Amino acid sequence: AQSVTQLGSHVSVSEGALVLLRCNYSSSVPPYLFWYVQYPNQGLQLLLKYTSAATLVKGINGFEAEFKKSETSFHLTKPSAHMSDAAEYFCAVSVNTGFQKLVFGTGTRLLVSP
Amino acid sequence: DADVTQTPRNRITKTGKRIMLECSQTKGHDRMYWYRQDPGLGLRLIYYSFDVKDINKGEISDGYSVSRQAQAKFSLSLESAIPNQTALYFCATSDLGESTDTQYFGPGTRLTVL
Repeated sequence: AQSVTQLGSHVSVSEGALVLLRCNYSSSVPPYLFWYVQYPNQGLQLLLKYTSAATLVKGINGFEAEFKKSETSFHLTKPSAHMSDAAEYFCAVSVNTGFQKLVFGTGTRLLVSP
Repeated sequence: DADVTQTPRNRITKTGKRIMLECSQTKGHDRMYWYRQDPGLGLRLIYYSFDVKDINKGEISDGYSVSRQAQAKFSLSLESAIPNQTALYFCATSDLGESTDTQYFGPGTRLTVL
């Protein structure tokens, strides 16, 4: 069965600093990987997804993630944090076995200070 | 207008009461899902439905039931609410015809059981 581990329940950065949110996955077959963002009092919004095409995936709001099979990782990065990036971020994995059941990580809350 | 809507957005109820959460979508997707979110646990799947006649239990279906009234409507019921069902509930949809089966989320319903 597939699973996702997000390292760090909270990450704090200063405005303008690099954002790095870590996600490691476990899957016995090639996975699909997703990053979702949840702003306060809102639902989850898809940031980006990896579907076995390019290993470097660009998403909305300047975020990107790189699929590294050797490290079983799919870390999310953004070169320069904005105050508006403060939110909770979820990594999720699914496999192409008919039903794309999504398995979510426990989330990482990003705090951005001025 | 939002593609996936949930009603109510907030609900406070008492132990033992029956409560229904409703989800509607205008995306034309055939698959619908109910998740609950608890702090530190991420999202967990309660039920999912591939079409009106196909409903399946997720990982935490005990104490819940669902109804798929139409392709666009999927309701979650708590027959006799208990305090540990206090959580944030999300509805999601996906399109069978989209190869990665990306899921799109509603804004959530915050349920408190006293």
